Amino acid sequence: QSVLTQPPSVSAAPGQKVTISCSGSTSNIGNNYVSWYQQLPGTAPKLLIYDNDKRPSGIPDRFSGSKSGTSATLGISGLLTGDEADYYCGTWDSSLSAGVFGTGTKVTVL
Amino acid sequence: QLQLQESGPGLVKRSETLSLTCTVSGVSISTPYYWSWIRQPPGKGLEYIGSIYYTGNTYYNPSLQSRVIMSVDTSKNQFSLKLSSVTAADTAVYYCARDGAGNYLFGFDFWGPGTMVSVSS
Repeated sequence: QSVLTQPPSVSAAPGQKVTISCSGSTSNIGNNYVSWYQQLPGTAPKLLIYDNDKRPSGIPDRFSGSKSGTSATLGISGLLTGDEADYYCGTWDSSLSAGVFGTGTKVTVL
Repeated sequence: QLQLQESGPGLVKRSETLSLTCTVSGVSISTPYYWSWIRQPPGKGLEYIGSIYYTGNTYYNPSLQSRVIMSVDTSKNQFSLKLSSVTAADTAVYYCARDGAGNYLFGFDFWGPGTMVSVSS
């Protein structure tokens, strides 16, 4: 089972903002950098955020990331129907010497 | 443009060894990045399997470590995964990915499309 906890689902109307939390511990989020991934149905995950708050080229600034202590947050503003997907956080776990993913959150645009 | 492509049998018998290869194109695998395997059981979340550097240095998920071997073939620009003694719990889509975003581990910026592997009894 995952060591990073996310809410199973979040939802909002088009144009609104949602935030997705990712809760961990000092061995993972607390002392390492967090990345976030979007997975559309039937496709491979896509990197949205790395190093806690950096966006790869081509990712709109509607997507934002932050970290505080042992938790991280992904924000999606100006929701579009195309944002309906599963979202995963991930980071390195220094105790495990391995990567870990969050449990995943399904975003629904109402 | 960097591309990754998984290949291997789509069906493996229980207790046998799952073998997958990821072919990297568009860039040499002998670059300072880790190359990784990640899997996703049907209807479930992502699970980190492990990573390998082009020099052969590896990190494995402790829950799979006793059954996993990863290797790299720089002459073919490929890296591989072997998972032994498979059970139904190993049925999943297997992805290969590059850990290349940022200055720290765990930023998978390029992914293969994934390959479904089913374990039969």
